[in-house]
Amino acid sequence: GAGVSQSPSNKVTEKGKDVELRCDPISGHTALYWYRQSLGQGLEFLIYFQGNSAPDKSGLPSDRFSAERTGGSVSTLTIQRTQQEDSAVYLCATTSGGYNEQFFGPGTRLTVL
Amino acid sequence: DAKTTQPPSMDCAEGRAANLPCNHSTISGNEYVYWYRQIHSQGPQYIIHGLKNNETNEMASLIITEDRKSSTLILPHATLRDTAVYYCIVRAFPTPIKFYFGSGTKLNVKP
Repeated sequence: GAGVSQSPSNKVTEKGKDVELRCDPISGHTALYWYRQSLGQGLEFLIYFQGNSAPDKSGLPSDRFSAERTGGSVSTLTIQRTQQEDSAVYLCATTSGGYNEQFFGPGTRLTVL
Repeated sequence: DAKTTQPPSMDCAEGRAANLPCNHSTISGNEYVYWYRQIHSQGPQYIIHGLKNNETNEMASLIITEDRKSSTLILPHATLRDTAVYYCIVRAFPTPIKFYFGSGTKLNVKP
């Protein structure tokens, strides 16, 4: 596609349930980032994938959070046993690498009841 | 990693230049300064980046001080559509290439 797409656009779940968020990057972009943005806050880095290298998971807030990127393309962010504090917009961004700009998707708004 | 400091909000009259400051006093010699903006309910959008020289593109100009401890993003003729949160970011090197977004400056362009 022409840009980064994310699905679902909105997700409402109950506390304790698992959720999966999907990111489809721009074709050919080797680097992929996940961020979290709580209401009225800046972006919080979560995880970074670059090609076939081991991902940088240093931003993941707890072991309930995990992400994978299959075949260097689509990425899924999984949150297990969701908590109310996980409610936020989850943004995915991709870049062709180096000093190039990041292209952001529209985000997934997660609400944990 | 170098962190940035920005004022939380600024106002600008439509048609006037908007000058958004950013302090990055701990920036390292090979770290770039990036600017992004986020219009309400959208993902952030790249604006411009630079290392030490001033940069200009179709959206904005970036002025970096000689000591590189601060920079200013200039929107030459602000419009109502420029109302957004503007983020000044310094990239961490060498690897992994992380972007650290602070809380940004909310620019309010008023008619």
